[in-house]
Amino acid sequence: GAVVSQHPSRVICKSGTSVKIECRSLDFQATTMFWYRQFPKQSLMLMATSNEGSKATYEQGVEKDKFLINHASLTLSTLTVTSAHPEDSSFYICSARSPGYGYTFGSGTRLTVV
Amino acid sequence: ELKVEQNPLFLSMQEGKNYTIYCNYSTTSDRLYWYRQDPGKSLESLFVLLSNGAVKQEGRLMASLDTKARLSTLHITAAVHDLSATYFCAVDTLGGSQGNLIFGKGTKLSVKP
Repeated sequence: GAVVSQHPSRVICKSGTSVKIECRSLDFQATTMFWYRQFPKQSLMLMATSNEGSKATYEQGVEKDKFLINHASLTLSTLTVTSAHPEDSSFYICSARSPGYGYTFGSGTRLTVV
Repeated sequence: ELKVEQNPLFLSMQEGKNYTIYCNYSTTSDRLYWYRQDPGKSLESLFVLLSNGAVKQEGRLMASLDTKARLSTLHITAAVHDLSATYFCAVDTLGGSQGNLIFGKGTKLSVKP
């Protein structure tokens, strides 16, 4: 079946630094990638949608300059949290969609900003 | 704007009992997904329901979809402790290849001996 590899699984960074999270579709081409954020005991909130080769579309209230998304190829999308602050600490999950495979979720990244 | 409401949000069950989780959504969609999430983990796909009247079963879980009522149910039969997790329903906003998933708030299920 379709697999999306997400790295790192956990990251701790200092306030003010940037962190990059990668998602790769291993055995299929992901025409669209989604990035979600999940705070403790809450549901998944869609942050942005990206199509390969196009600029990402951000949901209302998500700062595009803070959460940089790059979807340079059909198998790789990255989310960079710039100038991270403690309130950015969360569980970030990517999801890839492609015809015939539906939605496939990565394993998630636990970001802790200290 | 599509809204997805799940209830109950918390469910404490005894082993061996049956219960149903409900998922209502506000606009037309014919694609609904159920996921399981264990603490600290990502989502595990349980069911994909693609048409009105769809019913799928896997072990002690059975999901159904009524697109006219905009309602999906996840029925648990003879619960066991291993089913303890948080369950999410998610609705595809536009269907096909153009939409995205909107999630319900989740139902935290705790199955006690």
